[in-house]
Amino acid sequence: KQEVTQIPAALSVPEGENLVLNCSFTDSAIYNLQWFRQDPGKGLTSLLLIQSSQREQTSGRLNASLDKSSGRSTLYIAASQPGDSATYLCAVGVPHSGTYKYIFGTGTRLKVLA
Amino acid sequence: DGGITQSPKYLFRKEGQNVTLSCEQNLNHDAMYWYRQDPGQGLRLIYYSQIVNDFQKGDIAEGYSVSREKKESFPLTVTSAQKNPTAFYLCASTTLGETEQYFGPGTRLTVT
Repeated sequence: KQEVTQIPAALSVPEGENLVLNCSFTDSAIYNLQWFRQDPGKGLTSLLLIQSSQREQTSGRLNASLDKSSGRSTLYIAASQPGDSATYLCAVGVPHSGTYKYIFGTGTRLKVLA
Repeated sequence: DGGITQSPKYLFRKEGQNVTLSCEQNLNHDAMYWYRQDPGQGLRLIYYSQIVNDFQKGDIAEGYSVSREKKESFPLTVTSAQKNPTAFYLCASTTLGETEQYFGPGTRLTVT
């Protein structure tokens, strides 16, 4: 059974720091991996999608990597800002009943201090 | 503007009552999903639908029901059989083959 873990559960950093969020999964048979941002009481905003054949994706100050063989993905945030404060969730797309579904981690709650 | 709308944002119900949460999308996406989010837990899949008039149970379907009569709409009914219905409910959609999921703003349901 696929399980997704995110460590740490919470992180507090001063503004300007580069930081790395971790996501690990137990079964390497995934279609893709997606990183989301969630602000308190809000829906999820997609940040980056990495297909299973890809190693990384970049968008602005964000870079996500994927290592299927080791069951790991990292989200790198450069030059963090207070506006980056949110919960970051990763999800893996896995086969299910002839199609696919997403399995989510419990998230990393990030606070960037001004 | 294209997107996913969920209504209402907050919903309060008495125990024993059924309640229906709305999810509408104008992205022309084929697949739609319902998730439940509880504090300290990841999202858990309730139901999903790949095409109109067809849907499949997710991991926690007991006490819930859905319908998919139109491509753009996927309402979720929380029945009185759901033991612990108070939660944040999120709807998502994607095109078939395009696996990036897009989410609505969520509905917070409180049952007392």
